Amino acid sequence: EAGVVQSPRYKIIEKKQPVAFWCNPISGHNTLYWYRQNLGQGPELLIRYENEEAVDDSQLPKDRFSAERLKGVDSTLKIQPAELGDSAVYLCASSETGGALWTEAFFGQGTRLTVV
Amino acid sequence: KQEVTQIPAALSVPEGENLVLNCSFTDSAIYNLQWFRQDPGKGLTSLLLIQSSQREQTSGRLNASLDKSSGRSTLYIAASQPGDSATYLCAVSSRGSTLGRLYFGRGTQLTVWP
Repeated sequence: EAGVVQSPRYKIIEKKQPVAFWCNPISGHNTLYWYRQNLGQGPELLIRYENEEAVDDSQLPKDRFSAERLKGVDSTLKIQPAELGDSAVYLCASSETGGALWTEAFFGQGTRLTVV
Repeated sequence: KQEVTQIPAALSVPEGENLVLNCSFTDSAIYNLQWFRQDPGKGLTSLLLIQSSQREQTSGRLNASLDKSSGRSTLYIAASQPGDSATYLCAVSSRGSTLGRLYFGRGTQLTVWP
């Protein structure tokens, strides 16, 4: 069974340029997460989707970050314009949740973004 | 806000030792706790998931315990091997308004030398 797939693995861009990350979750997982991990830190949630609905986006910097999850499957995360402080690893995760059931979250390999 | 702390930040041991990694969290109203492994430049690999009603989970040489009332979890690694070298992250899923959000510690960087 394929795991969570992210692309690209690495991205280097100049500040003020746009960038987009793509995530394909595990088949059947209705919950999708985007996390950001700064160097030496644990990941922090940016946004969580249940199916197509963003149910927790309180930590997403909405002035420059946007995300979408079309048809409740794949998701894209966009930054426009990028700033130097956005350099980090962006992790996508998925899990099967419903009602009182919360299962393991499975993570992708991440996209390492460097803004120069 | 849930705060997760992991001790020690780094650990270097010879092969064969039994290890204990510690995780503490400030809000005991958790839904579950998950231990992850992260290799350099890679994503997170789930090791063990403990539901709030459980006391421990075991997988091979790994055993994780949970004491929700005191806000603590430990990950026990038996007979460590060089291949266990990685960063180990603890994460809790809290109840309430942020249900479903995982709060992570900074991790314990483990080095096992031959």
